[in-house]
Amino acid sequence: SQKIEQNSEALNIQEGKTATLTCNYTNYSPAYLQWYRQDPGRGPVFLLLIRENEKEKRKERLKVTFDTTLKQSLFHITASQPADSATYLCAAVYGGSQGNLIFGKGTKLSVKP
Amino acid sequence: EADIYQTPRYLVIGTGKKITLECSQTMGHDKMYWYQQDPGMELHLIHYSYGVNSTEKGDLSSESTVSRIRTEHFPLTLESARPSHTSQYLCASSESGQFYNEQFFGPGTRLTVL
Repeated sequence: SQKIEQNSEALNIQEGKTATLTCNYTNYSPAYLQWYRQDPGRGPVFLLLIRENEKEKRKERLKVTFDTTLKQSLFHITASQPADSATYLCAAVYGGSQGNLIFGKGTKLSVKP
Repeated sequence: EADIYQTPRYLVIGTGKKITLECSQTMGHDKMYWYQQDPGMELHLIHYSYGVNSTEKGDLSSESTVSRIRTEHFPLTLESARPSHTSQYLCASSESGQFYNEQFFGPGTRLTVL
């Protein structure tokens, strides 16, 4: 079965730096990858989506890449702020899955002032 | 802020009780989902629905059941709660136009079964 791996459980960085989070998938490439933000005690909030045939997508300070050779997506937050501290989830959508998401465990980002 | 609501937010209940977790959305979305999430772990899909009178089981086996009598309402029921059901339950919805559409999540219900 397909599996989504976010290898870093936690990432600590200094305010103003770029945070880079990694999402790896096994076996087949998903048709789409989605990234969500989850704050403690709350449900995830959608941030960005990238298609399999797209190399890069940007939205304000966020950038996501999709590398089918490495079977990996990278999620970047530039000029990070303490308010960016949260858990970030990667989720895959496979063709034929009726749009159901397969989630990774998430990476908890802490941005220190 | 997404227009999707879950009640109760927290529930502590004894073994053997019947419980219903409520989920409602005002966005008119056809697709709705229930996920289970334990601390530090992935969200696992336990039920989903394409629309009224449609329910399907997700990837994670669950003893819970769901119903979809109205578009906006997707309750989850446990007939006899057990300590192994202790978890966070998240409800979500999405438009049905594209299969990759983003999902909108409710705040979750944290269930503790003693």
